[in-house]
Amino acid sequence: AQTVTQSQPEMSVQEAETVTLSCTYDTSESDYYLFWYKQPPSRQMILVIRQEAYKQQNATENRFSVNFQKAAKSFSLKISDSQLGDAAMYFCAYRSTAGTASKLTFGTGTRLQVTL
Amino acid sequence: KAGVTQTPRYLIKTRGQQVTLSCSPISGHRSVSWYQQTPGQGLQFLFEYFSETQRNKGNFPGRFSGRQFSNSRSEMNVSTLELGDSALYLCASSRDRGDSNSPLHFGNGTRLTVT
Repeated sequence: AQTVTQSQPEMSVQEAETVTLSCTYDTSESDYYLFWYKQPPSRQMILVIRQEAYKQQNATENRFSVNFQKAAKSFSLKISDSQLGDAAMYFCAYRSTAGTASKLTFGTGTRLQVTL
Repeated sequence: KAGVTQTPRYLIKTRGQQVTLSCSPISGHRSVSWYQQTPGQGLQFLFEYFSETQRNKGNFPGRFSGRQFSNSRSEMNVSTLELGDSALYLCASSRDRGDSNSPLHFGNGTRLTVT
């Protein structure tokens, strides 16, 4: 079974600064997807960015980018130019390419605070 | 386009009762999956429905069940509620084009409190 570990329960960043959230995972599969989801107080899980394991190029979405190290099974999220609206819980998630498309394995989350 | 809609937003039930939660997926999405979120266990996969059939199930007791209707709307039911069932229940839908690349879109969840 796959596992996802987020070792930082809480992080804090000043507005306009850059922060990196860590995620490691364990799997015996060679092909899979990795995701970062954001959960603000509204409770809705919002997809921030995703990475296909077979792609070596790191995914980017505006101010969000990932550092995907497949051999190290590491998948960190970098948020540049942090904004107050980035404050939320961030979850790293794994999805196998085998079987059902909808089963995600989540990490325990990192609460990000953004200060002025 | 309307997002994933979950009703109700909040529920308070007593131990031993049963509860039904509803989820309406995004129009055109055929897959609906359910997750339980608790402070202790985090986010855990409950089950997934596709074309009215349960396609996958997580490691939960039989008290947790679900179904999907022909319009893709889904319900989950929890019978004989226990205090430990208090959680945020999240529903997600995806278009599911036959691969695992369809992103999941989540609703705002139903907060269930069991007293």
